[in-house]
Amino acid sequence: GEDVEQSLFLSVREGDSSVINCTYTDSSSTYLYWYKQEPGAGLQLLTYIFSNMDMKQDQRLTVLLNKKDKHLSLRIADTQTGDSAIYFCAETDSWGKLQFGAGTQVVVTP
Amino acid sequence: GAVVSQHPSRVICKSGTSVKIECRSLDFQATTMFWYRQFPKQSLMLMATSNEGSKATYEQGVEKDKFLINHASLTLSTLTVTSAHPEDSSFYICSAFTGDQYFGPGTRLLVL
Repeated sequence: GEDVEQSLFLSVREGDSSVINCTYTDSSSTYLYWYKQEPGAGLQLLTYIFSNMDMKQDQRLTVLLNKKDKHLSLRIADTQTGDSAIYFCAETDSWGKLQFGAGTQVVVTP
Repeated sequence: GAVVSQHPSRVICKSGTSVKIECRSLDFQATTMFWYRQFPKQSLMLMATSNEGSKATYEQGVEKDKFLINHASLTLSTLTVTSAHPEDSSFYICSAFTGDQYFGPGTRLLVL
């Protein structure tokens, strides 16, 4: 099975908060990342969190890390239609190699 | 800063031909670049790690003679899909590593 797991789909109403969850297995991961992929495009780095942090906030984005449970989440406040995309969480080893989850498709409805 | 480009953005080719995809870091140098492959509605799968001036390191199951990687300079890595077949049709994404990974916009390959 995959080392990084995510739920595959999330539907959210415009203006509500979105929460995307991710679990990982490599406890030695130094950084954990969230990427956004819009249709037919490459990946855009949204945010990342260092493994010794519990939380990081960046404007509408809040990342929570539970290192004990190896659980990572991304909260998007006031979700907009432009937030519709696939969101990937990823962990990295010390060589910079990324291990991605399968991605969560977020659909924002009016 | 930290912009990575890929060329071409999409390519259609006949089965049996070879296709070259370029990955460039535009405003920084990268000794390491990564090549990923993404199937529809699936995650990115790392194919190989490209190191400037040395041979690429391929992930298990990736044929090095099929997917030729050349990292000739600190700003350019190329992936050549040799004797392409329809099953090679996919979305190929590169990234350049300089502390963080910066991704290119991807190349859509369709082999007929």
